[in-house]
Amino acid sequence: SQQGEEDPQALSIQEGENATMNCSYKTSINNLQWYRQNSGRGLVHLILIRSNEREKHSGRLRVTLDTSKKSSSLLITASRAADTASYFCATDSSASKIIFGSGTRLSIRP
Amino acid sequence: GAGVSQSPRYKVAKRGQDVALRCDPISGHVSLFWYQQALGQGPEFLTYFQNEAQLDKSGLPSDRFFAERPEGSVSTLKIQRTQQEDSAVYLCASSLSGGYEKLFFGSGTQLSVL
Repeated sequence: SQQGEEDPQALSIQEGENATMNCSYKTSINNLQWYRQNSGRGLVHLILIRSNEREKHSGRLRVTLDTSKKSSSLLITASRAADTASYFCATDSSASKIIFGSGTRLSIRP
Repeated sequence: GAGVSQSPRYKVAKRGQDVALRCDPISGHVSLFWYQQALGQGPEFLTYFQNEAQLDKSGLPSDRFFAERPEGSVSTLKIQRTQQEDSAVYLCASSLSGGYEKLFFGSGTQLSVL
């Protein structure tokens, strides 16, 4: 079973626009992470936000976390063709188990 | 090594055959995770090692699945008597210390059971 659920399942936007993906989870967490996966490849870590943080930035990425609503969002600004990929949130229900959501498939149109 | 290495990259097995998938984590990484990813889905947790100790195997789908990491480095995921529903990409990931940290993933082994 998967703890996180991303929304939307698929997103297609024009190059240069911003992309927003949401993640909801079920149980209390210590950290929430976002990963990117290009087709046929492994996942690449993007950003980690701790449960006591509300917002974090890394380059064109902005992540928010609302622990009261058990939700997070990932914003990619000024999207590029290379941002086309699947994006997953991951939560740690314990130190030994990091659980991934079902993912958002992002397509950037040139 | 430079990254997490998995082999083979592709594996085709006949139903009923046993397979072994190998994972070489980043040198010095304490934690190692195995995931199963079906097409179009997110990775599903299988098992977790801290050094040579298997601390969580709650995600292994059946007793046909077995994982080991005898010296706290290389890990092997073994699937006995493979079935068609075992067809998936098997991903390995490692992290420097315990959980709660970012994971470094290998490219995965794509298993097809015919």
